[in-house]
Amino acid sequence: QVQLVESGGGLVKPGGSLRLSCAASGFTFSDYHMSWIRQAPGKGLEWISYISNGGSTIYYADSVKGRFTISRDNAKNSLYLQMNSLRGEDTAVYYCATRGGVRPTYFDFWGQGTQVTVSS
Amino acid sequence: DIQMTQSPSSLSASVGDRVTITCRASQNIVTYLNWYQQKPGKAPKLLIYAAFSLQSGVPSRFSGSGSGTDFTLTINTLQPEDFATYYCQQSYTISQTFGQGTKVEIK
Repeated sequence: QVQLVESGGGLVKPGGSLRLSCAASGFTFSDYHMSWIRQAPGKGLEWISYISNGGSTIYYADSVKGRFTISRDNAKNSLYLQMNSLRGEDTAVYYCATRGGVRPTYFDFWGQGTQVTVSS
Repeated sequence: DIQMTQSPSSLSASVGDRVTITCRASQNIVTYLNWYQQKPGKAPKLLIYAAFSLQSGVPSRFSGSGSGTDFTLTINTLQPEDFATYYCQQSYTISQTFGQGTKVEIK
């Protein structure tokens, strides 16, 4: 069955960096477009980044553009999110998700999330 | 960005009730609208995609309707496991946005 497992979260000081990973299994990872979505404590969901199945097309939300970098390694069935210049408002649970459908699209499978806390 | 507004923000209901949650988009999104269910401490789960298509494995008591700017999620015969927070999400634009959520609580 489809499984997505995030890792790499933790406590980091403002201005610091963190790299999240998402290990995929149970499906052909290279066939799927992927996204990162986050959820601040007690808040709703925010889409932050997308990468196409081959990695050639990438999008970011304005809130993270220029600070975060999404990437993937299809040989390792892994998705990554490099987060630099972290701020308090980046504190959230970070989920990776598959993007299903063509148009319309949707997030059909999600990982369990990894907590990122930005605090001094 | 397209703003998604859900109502109500929370509601209390009893097992067996019919529950309706609405979602309004700030511009026409045709049927590019999805619904998710989230339970505390868990990842969201896709319920409905493209406004009215039921995701595989989701009980038929869940249904979606609407197009353009106004959408509805209906839960017929509410079950104990349905108490959760529900989110709508538009996929019309690259910057996909979610509603603020509707928490369904036990009356």
